[in-house]
Amino acid sequence: SYELTQPLSVSVSPGQTASITCSGDKLGDKYVCWYQQKPGQSPVLVIYQDNKRPSGIPERFSGSNSGNTATLTISGTQALDEADYYCQAWDRNTYVVFGGGTKLTVL
Amino acid sequence: EVQLVESGGGLVQPGGSLRLSCAASGFTFSYFAMHWVRQAPGERLQYVSTINSNGDITYYANSVKGRFTISRDNSKNTLYLQMGSLRDDDMAVYYCAKPYSSSSYWDGMDVWGQGTTVTVSS
Repeated sequence: SYELTQPLSVSVSPGQTASITCSGDKLGDKYVCWYQQKPGQSPVLVIYQDNKRPSGIPERFSGSNSGNTATLTISGTQALDEADYYCQAWDRNTYVVFGGGTKLTVL
Repeated sequence: EVQLVESGGGLVQPGGSLRLSCAASGFTFSYFAMHWVRQAPGERLQYVSTINSNGDITYYANSVKGRFTISRDNSKNTLYLQMGSLRDDDMAVYYCAKPYSSSSYWDGMDVWGQGTTVTVSS
């Protein structure tokens, strides 16, 4: 089955740039989306189709996808960005696949 | 306002059954495929199932295939998940979610319900 691998945790200082990676075999051939989930809340879509932002998502969120790695980048990270982030892709055999999630700490 | 509201969760014994519902509002429900996603306490998001807009095409994660059935009633704007032969590892918060696009199931889920909790215990 298809798998997506994310780092368990990423730390960033306020105002700096956070990068969260998501790795999978030939991931660049697939569309990737990203979700933000804060404790006790439902996930929120922050990036879809690799690099598109839904309405209401701040411009500081951006995405890229090439080769075997997709990256979520948060520029000018704010304390309110502290959350778990999940990547997701579609595979013809596994259908919806989620990464293991990355805990972003802003300190 | 676009909204999804799940219900039907609760405590069930191993081997038991439960039916979850997801009431949709604020968008044309019959245009969109719909998903169920679950999350065990402290764990990652896990895909469960998808149904197309007409209800005649369904997809399941291997872990629930043969035990769970997804369905929908477009006249009631409601999505369902019939769960059977429940096991300890089915214990989770179950979310229904709407795809971002009506023309593609898989491009991201832009609306999620608040979740309903399923507890499997004797």
